[in-house]
Amino acid sequence: DIVMTQTPLSSPVTLGQPASISCRSSQSLVHSDGNTYLSWLQQRPGQPPRLLIYKISNRFSGVPDRVSGSGAGTDFTLTISRVEAEDVGVYFCMQCTQFPYTFGQGTKLEIK
Amino acid sequence: QVHLVQSGAEVKEPGASVKLSCKASGSPSANYVIHWMRQAPGQRLEWMGWVHAVNGNRLYSQKFQGRVTITTDTSASTAYMELNSLRSEDTALFFCAHENWGSGHLDYWGQGTLVTVSS
Repeated sequence: DIVMTQTPLSSPVTLGQPASISCRSSQSLVHSDGNTYLSWLQQRPGQPPRLLIYKISNRFSGVPDRVSGSGAGTDFTLTISRVEAEDVGVYFCMQCTQFPYTFGQGTKLEIK
Repeated sequence: QVHLVQSGAEVKEPGASVKLSCKASGSPSANYVIHWMRQAPGQRLEWMGWVHAVNGNRLYSQKFQGRVTITTDTSASTAYMELNSLRSEDTALFFCAHENWGSGHLDYWGQGTLVTVSS
C-alpha cells in the first residue's frame, strides 16, 4: 500500500498569515494514464471531509483561490495564502492512483 | 451538486453485523461509484471499497476483504455497506463518498454514520 506522510501534524497560524502543509507518498503517484491523483480534503470539527484540491492543483467548486496545491511525483504541498477563521480544521492528502486508496494522517490547522 | 445522505447511528455487540446505507441525489451522470471509508478515533481515514452505481461492479480493500460487502440498489440510488464480525476497532465514523467514474477524486461526501461496538 502507498503510505502518505504529512508534515506538520499541527500548525498554529495567525489570521491573515500563510500556511503550508506537506504530503509525501512512499511511491510515485503518477498513474499509467499520465495523471497524478493526489487530492486535498478539509474536515472541519463535526463535519465530513470536503474536497478542496484534486489532481495536485485543481481547485474544486467553491474553494477560494487563496487555497492552492502544488507538487509532483511523491512530494506535494497545500498552501493557504492568507488564513481565515473558516480554515480551521484537519487537512488530509489522499491518493487515488493505486488501490487501496490511502490518506495522510491529517494536519490540524488552528488559529494562534 | 451531488447530495449523499447516510443512515443513522448504530450500536452493536462484538461479533454482530451492521448494514449502513447511503442515498445519492443530484448526480448529473449515472456513471459514478460510491466509496466507503472508516474513520476510527485518533486514526487516519481508511478506504474500504467501492461499488459502481449502475453495473454493481465492486472492489474491496484487502484489509476488509471477507468482512465487508458493498452493494447498490440502482432504483433507489442507494449504496449499502455491510460489515460483519464487528470488533472494538470498528467503533468509528463511516463515510460514503461519490466519484464520477474515472475522475480520480472523491468530490462529495455523506455526513457520516457512527457505529459503536460495545458489549
